[in-house]
Amino acid sequence: LAKTTQPISMDSYEGQEVNITCSHNNIATNDYITWYQQFPSQGPRFIIQGYKTKVTNEVASLFIPADRKSSTLSLPRVSLSDTAVYYCLVGENDYKLSFGAGTTVTVRA
Amino acid sequence: EAQVTQNPRYLITVTGKKLTVTCSQNMNHEYMSWYRQDPGLGLRQIYYSMNVEVTDKGDVPEGYKVSRKEKRNFPLILESPSPNQTSLYFCASSLIGLAGGLPKETQYFGPGTRLLVL
Repeated sequence: LAKTTQPISMDSYEGQEVNITCSHNNIATNDYITWYQQFPSQGPRFIIQGYKTKVTNEVASLFIPADRKSSTLSLPRVSLSDTAVYYCLVGENDYKLSFGAGTTVTVRA
Repeated sequence: EAQVTQNPRYLITVTGKKLTVTCSQNMNHEYMSWYRQDPGLGLRQIYYSMNVEVTDKGDVPEGYKVSRKEKRNFPLILESPSPNQTSLYFCASSLIGLAGGLPKETQYFGPGTRLLVL
């Protein structure tokens, strides 16, 4: 499984864009990049998944450069309710996964 | 409503007293998994199951057992709990993803079970 590295924490203010970069230098050809969000005392929930280039949904965008050795989750115009832990996962499937410590994003008023 | 349920949500027990945490999903998912979450360590996978009667170890299986006799249920068994198993436990399920570059199936998580072993 490819090892991922992401910042431990990030602070932001309401209305700003938050970008979280995840490094995965050993990503394999068949690996996908998936991001989950976890609120306190809740299970993680899927945010977005991609393989290459850019993916956008109603919650976030995921930017993946051509070499795929990193990826950036972009949260546009965050609100207080976006305060959560964000996990970057890399793997061929979701079956055997390690979530790591994630990035704690704190949004302030 | 599609969901993953866990019981109990909170449990306090003593060292050595066998316990079972149940997990059930109503989405007909083949895949189910157990994780534990500890401060600073994120979520670590304990066991997972690809289908009925098919289980495999995750990263931290020691001290745990699982069984998958029915598709919807995946109980986590602690035969002799110890204080280092005090943790927050999550069960998850998903469909089996398709190969060949098609979008992968994501996991749906239960609400968590907070366990304290004295």
